[in-house]
Amino acid sequence: GAGVSQTPSNKVTEKGKYVELRCDPISGHTALYWYRQSLGQGPEFLIYFQGTGAADDSGLPNDRFFAVRPEGSVSTLKIQRTERGDSAVYLCASSLGSGDQETQYFGPGTRLLVL
Amino acid sequence: DAKTTQPNSMESNEEEPVHLPCNHSTISGTDYIHWYRQLPSQGPEYVIHGLTSNVNNRMASLAIAEDRKSSTLILHRATLRDAAVYYCILRAFSGGSNYKLTFGKGTLLTVNP
Repeated sequence: GAGVSQTPSNKVTEKGKYVELRCDPISGHTALYWYRQSLGQGPEFLIYFQGTGAADDSGLPNDRFFAVRPEGSVSTLKIQRTERGDSAVYLCASSLGSGDQETQYFGPGTRLLVL
Repeated sequence: DAKTTQPNSMESNEEEPVHLPCNHSTISGTDYIHWYRQLPSQGPEYVIHGLTSNVNNRMASLAIAEDRKSSTLILHRATLRDAAVYYCILRAFSGGSNYKLTFGKGTLLTVNP
Protein backbone atom coordinates (compact mmCIF):
# COMPACT_ATOMS: atom_id res chain seq x y z
CA GLY A 1 0.00 0.00 0.00
CA ALA A 2 0.95 3.65 -0.09
CA GLY A 3 3.47 4.87 2.39
CA VAL A 4 3.76 8.23 4.12
CA SER A 5 3.92 11.05 1.62
CA GLN A 6 5.16 14.59 2.14
CA THR A 7 4.78 17.66 0.01
CA PRO A 8 6.55 19.56 -1.26
CA SER A 9 9.71 17.50 -1.54
CA ASN A 10 11.77 20.70 -1.65
CA LYS A 11 10.94 24.22 -0.55
CA VAL A 12 13.08 27.30 -0.96
CA THR A 13 11.91 30.45 0.78
CA GLU A 14 13.23 33.77 1.94
CA LYS A 15 13.91 34.77 5.50
CA GLY A 16 10.78 36.09 7.13
CA LYS A 17 8.32 34.22 4.93
CA TYR A 18 5.64 31.75 6.03
CA VAL A 19 5.75 28.10 4.93
CA GLU A 20 3.47 25.10 5.23
CA LEU A 21 4.65 21.51 4.98
CA ARG A 22 2.14 18.73 4.42
CA CYS A 23 2.14 15.12 5.55
CA ASP A 24 -0.20 12.35 4.39
CA PRO A 25 0.14 9.40 6.77
CA ILE A 26 -0.56 5.77 6.03
CA SER A 27 -4.32 5.22 5.94
CA GLY A 28 -5.65 4.10 9.31
CA HIS A 29 -2.63 5.21 11.31
CA THR A 30 -3.81 7.16 14.34
CA ALA A 31 -0.42 8.40 15.50
CA LEU A 32 1.57 10.99 13.56
CA TYR A 33 4.96 12.52 14.32
CA TRP A 34 7.07 15.34 12.98
CA TYR A 35 10.87 15.31 13.22
CA ARG A 36 13.52 17.71 11.99
CA GLN A 37 16.92 16.64 10.67
CA SER A 38 19.85 19.00 10.29
CA LEU A 39 22.80 18.12 8.10
CA GLY A 40 24.95 15.38 9.61
CA GLN A 41 22.61 14.83 12.55
CA GLY A 42 19.94 12.30 13.40
CA PRO A 43 16.29 13.35 13.32
CA GLU A 44 14.98 15.32 16.31
CA PHE A 45 11.43 14.99 17.61
CA LEU A 46 9.13 17.97 17.18
CA ILE A 47 5.53 16.95 17.87
CA TYR A 48 3.29 13.90 18.27
CA PHE A 49 -0.41 13.65 17.38
CA GLN A 50 -2.79 10.99 18.60
CA GLY A 51 -5.84 11.45 16.44
CA THR A 52 -6.60 15.14 16.04
CA GLY A 53 -4.88 16.36 19.18
CA ALA A 54 -1.26 17.19 19.78
CA ALA A 55 -0.34 14.85 22.61
CA ASP A 56 3.20 16.21 22.91
CA ASP A 57 4.53 19.37 21.28
CA SER A 58 7.54 19.71 23.56
CA GLY A 59 9.99 19.44 20.66
CA LEU A 60 8.76 22.51 18.80
CA PRO A 61 11.67 24.97 19.06
CA ASN A 62 9.60 28.13 19.57
CA ASP A 63 6.21 29.68 18.93
CA ARG A 64 6.97 30.26 15.25
CA PHE A 65 6.32 26.56 14.74
CA PHE A 66 2.81 25.14 14.81
CA ALA A 67 1.23 21.93 13.55
CA VAL A 68 -2.35 20.83 13.01
CA ARG A 69 -4.16 17.62 12.17
CA PRO A 70 -7.80 18.72 12.00
CA GLU A 71 -9.40 15.49 10.80
CA GLY A 72 -7.00 13.01 12.30
CA SER A 73 -5.33 12.20 9.03
CA VAL A 74 -3.36 14.80 7.05
CA SER A 75 -1.11 17.09 9.08
CA THR A 76 0.40 20.44 8.27
CA LEU A 77 3.51 21.88 9.90
CA LYS A 78 3.48 25.66 9.77
CA ILE A 79 6.50 27.89 10.24
CA GLN A 80 6.07 31.64 10.58
CA ARG A 81 8.76 34.28 10.00
CA THR A 82 11.25 31.70 8.80
CA GLU A 83 14.89 32.05 9.77
CA ARG A 84 18.00 30.66 8.09
CA GLY A 85 18.43 28.30 11.04
CA ASP A 86 15.13 26.63 10.14
CA SER A 87 16.79 25.10 7.07
CA ALA A 88 16.62 21.34 7.50
CA VAL A 89 14.80 18.22 6.35
CA TYR A 90 11.40 17.93 7.98
CA LEU A 91 10.31 14.33 8.36
CA CYS A 92 6.86 13.01 9.06
CA ALA A 93 6.13 9.54 10.42
CA SER A 94 3.00 7.62 11.31
CA SER A 95 2.23 4.51 13.30
CA LEU A 96 -0.80 2.29 13.67
CA GLY A 97 -1.29 2.63 17.40
CA SER A 98 -0.54 4.82 20.35
CA GLY A 99 3.21 4.57 20.07
CA ASP A 100 4.17 1.86 22.54
CA GLN A 101 6.77 -0.15 20.59
CA GLU A 102 4.86 0.62 17.41
CA THR A 103 6.97 0.83 14.29
CA GLN A 104 7.08 4.33 12.90
CA TYR A 105 6.91 4.66 9.12
CA PHE A 106 8.66 7.70 7.76
CA GLY A 107 8.05 9.77 4.68
CA PRO A 108 10.87 10.96 2.42
CA GLY A 109 10.92 14.38 4.05
CA THR A 110 10.64 17.98 2.90
CA ARG A 111 13.93 19.77 2.39
CA LEU A 112 13.48 23.36 3.50
CA LEU A 113 16.03 25.99 2.57
CA VAL A 114 15.65 29.48 3.98
CA LEU A 115 17.72 32.06 2.13
CA ASP B 1 16.83 9.02 28.62
CA ALA B 2 19.33 6.20 28.32
CA LYS B 3 22.00 6.95 25.74
CA THR B 4 23.51 4.82 23.04
CA THR B 5 27.02 4.95 21.60
CA GLN B 6 27.84 3.84 18.07
CA PRO B 7 30.92 4.14 15.86
CA ASN B 8 30.69 7.05 13.45
CA SER B 9 31.38 4.89 10.42
CA MET B 10 32.08 1.36 9.27
CA GLU B 11 33.03 -0.22 5.99
CA SER B 12 32.16 -3.58 4.53
CA ASN B 13 32.50 -5.53 1.32
CA GLU B 14 29.54 -6.69 -0.69
CA GLU B 15 28.21 -10.17 0.22
CA GLU B 16 30.15 -10.24 3.49
CA PRO B 17 28.55 -10.14 6.94
CA VAL B 18 28.46 -6.84 8.81
CA HIS B 19 28.35 -6.44 12.58
CA LEU B 20 27.21 -3.00 13.74
CA PRO B 21 27.81 -2.46 17.48
CA CYS B 22 25.87 -0.33 19.93
CA ASN B 23 26.70 0.38 23.56
CA HIS B 24 23.93 1.26 26.00
CA SER B 25 25.44 0.83 29.44
CA THR B 26 22.67 2.80 31.21
CA ILE B 27 19.81 0.80 29.72
CA SER B 28 16.95 0.12 32.10
CA GLY B 29 15.23 -3.21 32.51
CA THR B 30 12.20 -2.15 30.52
CA ASP B 31 13.97 -0.50 27.58
CA TYR B 32 13.60 -2.12 24.19
CA ILE B 33 16.49 -1.84 21.70
CA HIS B 34 15.35 -0.64 18.29
CA TRP B 35 17.31 -0.25 15.08
CA TYR B 36 16.36 2.02 12.23
CA ARG B 37 18.33 2.83 9.12
CA GLN B 38 18.28 5.78 6.76
CA LEU B 39 19.22 5.33 3.12
CA PRO B 40 20.50 8.38 1.24
CA SER B 41 17.80 11.00 0.64
CA GLN B 42 15.12 8.91 2.36
CA GLY B 43 13.41 8.87 5.72
CA PRO B 44 14.46 6.34 8.35
CA GLU B 45 13.05 2.82 8.13
CA TYR B 46 12.55 0.24 10.85
CA VAL B 47 14.97 -2.67 10.87
CA ILE B 48 14.46 -4.73 14.01
CA HIS B 49 13.92 -4.54 17.77
CA GLY B 50 14.34 -6.74 20.82
CA LEU B 51 14.36 -6.84 24.62
CA THR B 52 16.55 -9.68 25.88
CA SER B 53 16.64 -12.54 23.42
CA ASN B 54 18.31 -12.46 20.05
CA VAL B 55 15.92 -11.65 17.22
CA ASN B 56 15.88 -12.46 13.53
CA ASN B 57 13.83 -11.10 10.68
CA ARG B 58 14.14 -10.95 6.92
CA MET B 59 16.34 -7.86 7.07
CA ALA B 60 18.78 -8.59 9.88
CA SER B 61 19.54 -10.22 13.20
CA LEU B 62 19.89 -8.54 16.56
CA ALA B 63 22.26 -10.01 19.11
CA ILE B 64 21.81 -8.68 22.65
CA ALA B 65 24.47 -9.13 25.31
CA GLU B 66 23.48 -11.05 28.40
CA ASP B 67 23.83 -7.95 30.60
CA ARG B 68 21.99 -5.91 27.92
CA LYS B 69 24.62 -3.21 28.01
CA SER B 70 25.42 -3.70 24.36
CA SER B 71 23.89 -5.10 21.20
CA THR B 72 24.95 -5.87 17.66
CA LEU B 73 22.98 -5.55 14.46
CA ILE B 74 24.03 -8.23 12.02
CA LEU B 75 23.54 -8.00 8.27
CA HIS B 76 24.32 -11.50 7.07
CA ARG B 77 25.28 -10.60 3.51
CA ALA B 78 25.72 -6.92 2.85
CA THR B 79 24.54 -5.54 -0.47
CA LEU B 80 25.11 -2.13 -2.01
CA ARG B 81 21.53 -1.31 -1.04
CA ASP B 82 22.46 -1.69 2.64
CA ALA B 83 24.66 1.42 2.51
CA ALA B 84 22.95 3.72 4.99
CA VAL B 85 23.15 5.35 8.40
CA TYR B 86 22.13 2.86 11.09
CA TYR B 87 20.60 4.14 14.31
CA CYS B 88 20.42 2.23 17.59
CA ILE B 89 17.57 3.60 19.75
CA LEU B 90 16.26 2.72 23.21
CA ARG B 91 12.52 2.85 23.86
CA ALA B 92 10.86 2.37 27.22
CA PHE B 93 8.40 -0.51 27.33
CA SER B 94 5.43 1.73 27.94
CA GLY B 95 4.35 5.04 29.35
CA GLY B 96 6.21 8.30 29.58
CA SER B 97 7.29 9.57 26.22
CA ASN B 98 8.31 6.24 24.71
CA TYR B 99 6.56 7.21 21.46
CA LYS B 100 9.51 9.52 20.74
CA LEU B 101 12.38 8.06 18.80
CA THR B 102 15.57 9.65 20.11
CA PHE B 103 18.15 9.40 17.36
CA GLY B 104 21.89 9.83 17.84
CA LYS B 105 24.24 10.35 14.93
CA GLY B 106 24.24 6.66 14.04
CA THR B 107 26.81 4.64 12.10
CA LEU B 108 27.41 5.38 8.45
CA LEU B 109 27.87 2.04 6.72
CA THR B 110 29.74 2.02 3.43
CA VAL B 111 29.51 -1.14 1.32
CA ASN B 112 32.25 -1.69 -1.23
CA PRO B 113 31.51 -3.63 -4.44
